[in-house]
Amino acid sequence: NAGVTQTPKFQVLKTGQSMTLQCAQDMNHNSMYWYRQDPGMGLRLIYYSASEGTTDKGEVPNGYNVSRLNKREFSLRLESAAPSQTSVYFCATGGISYNEQFFGPGTRLTVL
Amino acid sequence: GESVGLHLPTLSVQEGDNSIINCAYSNSASDYFIWYKQESGKGPQFIIDIRSNMDKRQGQRVTVLLNKTVKHLSLQIAATQPGDSAVYFCAENPSGAGSYQLTFGKGTKLSVIP
Repeated sequence: NAGVTQTPKFQVLKTGQSMTLQCAQDMNHNSMYWYRQDPGMGLRLIYYSASEGTTDKGEVPNGYNVSRLNKREFSLRLESAAPSQTSVYFCATGGISYNEQFFGPGTRLTVL
Repeated sequence: GESVGLHLPTLSVQEGDNSIINCAYSNSASDYFIWYKQESGKGPQFIIDIRSNMDKRQGQRVTVLLNKTVKHLSLQIAATQPGDSAVYFCAENPSGAGSYQLTFGKGTKLSVIP
């Protein structure tokens, strides 16, 4: 089992460009999450999806949109990238325990 | 301000010694407190959690202590090994069951000296 996979691993964008970060899980979990992690900072929740068909804003949703395509996939879209969105993005899933989340390997995004 | 924080950003420990990583929190209403480990280049990994009605919980080589009087959380790692080198984050779940939003602290980097 792959667990949680993210694509791409690295991406460089120019200001104003758009892109979609992909996340897929094979853990049969209902909830999925998108976080960003900036240097010297903890993780901050961007959006989450409690179950297929639902999405909710987290702490820092501005500049992002999400799609819960099906139970397995949860994508994060940057419509018009800004340098402030340079970060490492992590996707995670959650099972029965709300406290135990399973993270993917991350996508390192640089916006020039 | 941030509701979950740390006393020290870095900690160096000799291999075989015990490690203690500290965390302060401000939301006394949080239901759960959690520890995650993040190795270099990887996503965070759950270690252990403790409910607010408990003072201590033990796992494999780890113990979490909760002092609600001073709003302090600590993670103790016994017989620290090189594989324990990582950044450790404390997090809180304000509402426990039904709450999907964890609040993470900034992390403490643990370096194990061989």
